[in-house]
Amino acid sequence: GAVVSQHPSRVICKSGTSVKIECRSLDFQATTMFWYRQFPKQSLMLMATSNEGSKATYEQGVEKDKFLINHASLTLSTLTVTSAHPEDSSFYICSASVSGGADTQYFGPGTRLTVL
Amino acid sequence: AQKVTQAQTEISVVEKEDVTLDCVYETRDTTYYLFWYKQPPSGELVFLIRRNSFDEQNEISGRYSWNFQKSTSSFNFTITASQVVDSAVYFCALSEAGGATNKLIFGTGTLLAVQP
Repeated sequence: GAVVSQHPSRVICKSGTSVKIECRSLDFQATTMFWYRQFPKQSLMLMATSNEGSKATYEQGVEKDKFLINHASLTLSTLTVTSAHPEDSSFYICSASVSGGADTQYFGPGTRLTVL
Repeated sequence: AQKVTQAQTEISVVEKEDVTLDCVYETRDTTYYLFWYKQPPSGELVFLIRRNSFDEQNEISGRYSWNFQKSTSSFNFTITASQVVDSAVYFCALSEAGGATNKLIFGTGTLLAVQP
């Protein structure tokens, strides 16, 4: 149980294009989903927290107009990197939990974004 | 402020050796949760354990064991008879209860290399 998928697993795009990453909880309903960014050999950095049907809460320093998050259903959240630039290249990982509070977060397999 | 410290950046052991990964945390809350996640080369974070601050019992799961010591604010992870498949980055994380969302504070991770 507690399986989270992400699509695509890898994407290469040209500078200036927008990229959408999907995060799905496959066998449970996720009230809360999280988006992280991880640079090579570094820890995970939380970008934003989203609750189903609500606007996402962004961490300090994360541009909400740059990283659009939509959590339209209890099993799907999307992250859109708008007008991507090479510095946006990174490993993006989502996680999902059944509820808020201190529920365990289950992580997706990650998406490797490369912006040329 | 909340903080998780994993002082060991990299550890290399030979197969069948026991290895302990250290985790020290800081928090002002009396109720909190501690986690360990494994990140193999594929990138996906695998949930290993969740422990609440009121449960100081050590836990054993197969070759894995965890030692929670509130007195020293540590939550160390031991792998007994290590195997090559244990090679991964291991993250310790802290979550404070009582908030609306369970934001995870990650340590910087420990890269474990198990040599055959």
